[in-house]
Amino acid sequence: DVKVTQSSRYLVKRTGEKVFLECVQDMDHENMFWYRQDPGLGLRLIYFSYDVKMKEKGDIPEGYSVSREKKERFSLILESASTNQTSMYLCASSTYRGTDTGELFFGEGSRLTVL
Amino acid sequence: TQLLEQSPQFLSIQEGENLTVYCNSSSVFSSLQWYRQEPGEGPVLLVTVVTGGEVKKLKRLTFQFGDARKDSSLHITAAQPGDTGLYLCAGDTTDSWGKLQFGAGTQVVVTP
Repeated sequence: DVKVTQSSRYLVKRTGEKVFLECVQDMDHENMFWYRQDPGLGLRLIYFSYDVKMKEKGDIPEGYSVSREKKERFSLILESASTNQTSMYLCASSTYRGTDTGELFFGEGSRLTVL
Repeated sequence: TQLLEQSPQFLSIQEGENLTVYCNSSSVFSSLQWYRQEPGEGPVLLVTVVTGGEVKKLKRLTFQFGDARKDSSLHITAAQPGDTGLYLCAGDTTDSWGKLQFGAGTQVVVTP
């Protein structure tokens, strides 16, 4: 079974703390994505990566950074967490398909609460 | 600003009823995807539509892509409790690779 695994299902952090969210995929996909999901807003793209060490800003990159040192692993970093970053974070991967983004395979999500 | 508008936001129906979910935009998409998300899980792809006017069927689910490739609909016939979930549409454009635009989703609840 293909799988995207997110390291933590639930996290509670304090304002100002550094937060790492890890994502690993076993499908040898080139592309990996980080989204946040908030009620009424759907999924919003934070960052994506189409190759090792490559990253592209999505629609809401402010307050976040990412790291992709290995093909299978894509990390989302909150340098200094704030309460407005309380959300569900979803990692996804897809295979390279030229002009199309392709089918996204999602992890189960990481629910982050910042107090 | 949500580029893809989904309606309704919430739908509660009885088992056996039919329902339709709409996904509309002013943008033209090269393809449009429909996902279903169940509680505690990530979204799972149901279908991708590519050609204007295209109709795809997946058992009791019928997906249609508008002729102008700006809108889509999902129709469920004789809904079952297993159809309960958050339905999300996502549009792809060739000039914004990697940046799928998601709608806010339609929460569907089917009660026995």
